[in-house]
Order: sequence, then structure tokens, then C-alpha cells
Amino acid sequence: AQTVTQSQPEMSVQEAETVTLSCTYDTSESDYYLFWYKQPPSRQMILVIRQEAYKQQNATENRFSVNFQKAAKSFSLKISDSQLGDAAMYFCAYSSDSNYQLIWGAGTKLIIKP
Amino acid sequence: NAGVTQTPKFHILKIGQSMTLQCTQDMNHNYMYWYRQDPGMGLKLIYYSVGAGITDKGEVPNGYNVSRSTTEDFPLRLELAAPSQTSVYFCASSYLGSRNEQFFGPGTRLTVL
Repeated sequence: AQTVTQSQPEMSVQEAETVTLSCTYDTSESDYYLFWYKQPPSRQMILVIRQEAYKQQNATENRFSVNFQKAAKSFSLKISDSQLGDAAMYFCAYSSDSNYQLIWGAGTKLIIKP
Repeated sequence: NAGVTQTPKFHILKIGQSMTLQCTQDMNHNYMYWYRQDPGMGLKLIYYSVGAGITDKGEVPNGYNVSRSTTEDFPLRLELAAPSQTSVYFCASSYLGSRNEQFFGPGTRLTVL
């Protein structure tokens, strides 16, 4: 069965600095999709970034980028120029076409220090 | 577009009572999902639906039931509520399955006492 592990329960970063959140996953499939979702205190779950496993190029969305290492089964999220509004829980998630589920990590709480 | 809406936002239920959590989406998505999120945890899939009239169990279906009579609506029914069902419940929808972005409702915080 697929699993997703986020080993950092909490991270903190100074405003305007860069922070990297870690995610590893376990799967025997070769084609799959990886996601980072953000959950601010409002509880609303918002997609940050998405990566397709067959694409070698790392996905980027403005200040958010990923480091996708397929062989190592690693999918880290880098947030550049951190802003106060980035404070939230960040969840890594996995899915594939062989099942309809998103498999979720336990989350990392990101604290932004002003 | 309202996106995905859920009602109620909060509810306290007594042990043994039943209730229905409502979920509606206006994006014409064929896939819909119900998750629960326990404190300090990620989301766990309860049930999902790939279209009107078609539903299937997720990882934690016991104690719940769903129906999907229309594309827009996907209610979650809790029968004989137990304290273990205290959680935050999220409904989500997506176009063409979990390979694509899932759009989430604001969640329902349910407490069973």
C-alpha cells in the first residue's frame, strides 16, 4: 500500500527567508501524481502545487517550487520569500490512476516569524 | 461560482443520534469525496463517488453511508453516532478523478458527546 511521510511536525522561518518542507512516499507504481496542499487556520484546504511523476521538470508556482526526486521517492516543497500569509499546515498527498484516493501525510505546521 | 459548500459548519450530536452532512458543488465535477480529519492527522477517505448513482468505500467507511442522486449533491449520513466519529469532515470534488486538483468545502466540525 502507498504511504506518505512528513517527518517534520513543525517548521519555523523568518519572514522573507526560504524554507523547505520534506515529504517522502512509498509506492511500487511508476505513474502517479503528487500534491502539496495548504490548510490555513480558516481550515480551507487549498492546492499549492502539483507534480506528475512522468515529468522530470520540477513544478513551480510563483514562490513555491518542488524538488521531485523520483528514485529517492522524495517530494519536498520550497517556499521562497516567506510571507506571514504562508503560515499554515502543509500536507503532502499522493494519488495514482489505479485508485481514486488521495493518500495524505500527517502535515507540517509552518510558522512564520515576523 | 460557490465551489463546494457544506452544511452545517459546526454540530454537536449525542451518542446514538443520526444526522446528515450536506455537500453541494456547482462546478459540474463528476468525482466527489468525503474525508475526515482527526487532530494532528492528515485526511482519511470515507467514501467517494465517480458520478451520479455510483459510490464506493474509502479507507474508513464504517458508521457512515452516502448517496449520489445528482451530480451536484453528495450527502454523508452518520448512523448511531459514536464519540470516535468526533472529527472535522471535508467534502471535495474534482474533474476526472484524483489525478487532478480536488476542491474542498470549508469543513464541518462534528462533536459526538
